[in-house]
Amino acid sequence: AQTVTQSQPEMSVQEAETVTLSCTYDTSESDYYLFWYKQPPSRQMILVIRQEAYKQQNATENRFSVNFQKAAKSFSLKISDSQLGDAAMYFCAYRISGGGADGLTFGKGTHLIIQP
Amino acid sequence: NAGVTQTPKFRILKIGQSMTLQCAQDMNHNYMYWYRQDPGMGLKLIYYSVGAGITDKGEVPNGYNVSRSTTEDFPLRLELAAPSQTSVYFCASSRGTEYNSPLHFGNGTRLTVT
Repeated sequence: AQTVTQSQPEMSVQEAETVTLSCTYDTSESDYYLFWYKQPPSRQMILVIRQEAYKQQNATENRFSVNFQKAAKSFSLKISDSQLGDAAMYFCAYRISGGGADGLTFGKGTHLIIQP
Repeated sequence: NAGVTQTPKFRILKIGQSMTLQCAQDMNHNYMYWYRQDPGMGLKLIYYSVGAGITDKGEVPNGYNVSRSTTEDFPLRLELAAPSQTSVYFCASSRGTEYNSPLHFGNGTRLTVT
């Protein structure tokens, strides 16, 4: 079974600075998808960024980027120029390619605090 | 475009009561999912469905039942509620399982069993 580990229960960063959230996963598959979801206090689950395992290039979405290290099974999220609105729980998630009918496997989450 | 709609938003149940959490999506998605989120934990899959009439168990199905009579609706039934079922429940849907078919989530139902 696949597992996703987020080793940082909580992170704190000053507004406008950069923060990196860690995620590692365990799988025997070679093709899969990885995701970062944001959950603000409203409880809504918002897709932040996604990565296909067979793509070497790291995904980027505006201030959010990932560092995908396939051999190390690592998928960290970097948030640049942190804003107060970035404060939320962040979940790393995994999905097998071409058969993931059972959805996503989630990590336990990292609570991100933005200091003004 | 409503997306995924869950009702109710909050509910308090007494031990042994039953209830149904409603979930509807208007995106014509084939795949639907129910997750639960316990404090300090990620989401865990309860049940999922790949289309009308087809459902399957996820990681934590005990104490729950589902049905999928239409593409749009995927209700989750709790029979004989227990305190261990106190959680936030999320319904989600996706068009498929490909990379460009991300999960769309509802806003969750907070359930307390006392």
